[in-house]
This record gives sequence, C-alpha cells and structure tokens, in this order.
Amino acid sequence: AQSVTQPDIHITVSEGASLELRCNYSYGATPYLFWYVQSPGQGLQLLLKYFSGDTLVQGIKGFEAEFKRSQSSFNLRKPSVHWSDAAEYFCAGEFLTQGGSEKLVFGKGTKLTVNP
Amino acid sequence: GAVVSQHPSRVICKSGTSVKIECRSLDFQATTMFWYRQFPKQSLMLMATSNEGSKATYEQGVEKDKFLINHASLTLSTLTVTSAHPEDSSFYICSARVRGFYEQYFGPGTRLTVT
Repeated sequence: AQSVTQPDIHITVSEGASLELRCNYSYGATPYLFWYVQSPGQGLQLLLKYFSGDTLVQGIKGFEAEFKRSQSSFNLRKPSVHWSDAAEYFCAGEFLTQGGSEKLVFGKGTKLTVNP
Repeated sequence: GAVVSQHPSRVICKSGTSVKIECRSLDFQATTMFWYRQFPKQSLMLMATSNEGSKATYEQGVEKDKFLINHASLTLSTLTVTSAHPEDSSFYICSARVRGFYEQYFGPGTRLTVT
C-alpha cells in the first residue's frame, strides 16, 4: 500500500541553525510529493511540491526539498531557521489508487520547536 | 489566488444534533473537493472525495450516512455531521482542486466539539 513516513515526531533546533525534516514514501512509482506547514489550530499551507524534473525544489519561506528516487525520500531543508518556523510539518504524496483515482496521503507530521 | 474558506471556524453542539460545515473556493472553480479529519496531534485522514454534481466517494471506515457530503456547485461543498456524538469531535479540513491540476488548496479548518 502507498504510504508516507516521517520518522521524526518532534525536532528541536536553535534559531539560526540548519534544519532537515525527513520524509520517505512507499509506492511502485514516483508520486507527486508535497510539504505542508500547519500552525496550531490552522489549515495547511503549501511549502513546495515536486512533480518531475529538477530534483531540488525551492519553496516559500526559504525552504527547499530534494527528491531522491534511490532512497524514496523527499527531505525538507532550511539553512537557517527562524523562530516563526515553529509549527507542524507534513509531508504528503499523491498516489493513484486501485480504483483509478488520486489520493493525497499524509505522513504523521513532525513538530518543530525552535529555541531562542 | 486559490483561496478556500470554511464556515464556521468553530462550532459546539450537543450530542444528537446535526452540524453543517461549508467549504467554499473563493476565486476558482473546484471540480473536486476533499474532506479530511484530524485528531489532536495526529495527521490528516481523508474522509471523502466529492466531484461537483455527483455523489461523494467515501474512504473505507467512514460512515456515509453519518457524514453527508454535498457538492452542489463548483464553489461550494458541505459536510453535515448527523446525530453528532462526542467521538465526532475533531478538526475538519476541506480542500479543493481544479481538474487537471494536482495541487489541493486547503481551507483553514473547522473545530467541532460535541458535548
């Protein structure tokens, strides 16, 4: 079955430090991949997406992600974290179901805490 | 562009009553809308997919008679939680997509509390 795994439930970094959030997927092909950010009690904001082409994707707020087919990964990175980046981050993959429709499957999320 | 709104943002209802949540695409026509449920500190789980003018497709384990979805127009989908119980308390998020495009635009969510 298609799945998205975020191995880290909670990550704490210091402000100004670099950040990498891990995401792996399980699928017979390459899904469309997304990273979303959610602040408490809010909806989701799209940070970036990968459909095809260049495997290094630039997003909003200084985030980037790299797709690695060999590792079935789509890790999110930011060179210097700001206190306002503290939030929940979700990786998601768009998969084709057995019924022929597309379905967005989310990882369990990684909560980011930023220390001053 | 691509703004999705939800109303209400918060609702408290008594057990046994029904609650309707609206999801609107404000500046585009959404051929497909999705309803997700998110329990505290958990991920989003797809409940159902609705295409304008047709019946919603529910995910396995989601009671279609309890969670009624109507997608009457290209800009409006509604989710009605019928005979709500405390275990239905959750954060409900809708999203909308234009045919041919894979990106979903998410609403801000509705916090439902059933007392």
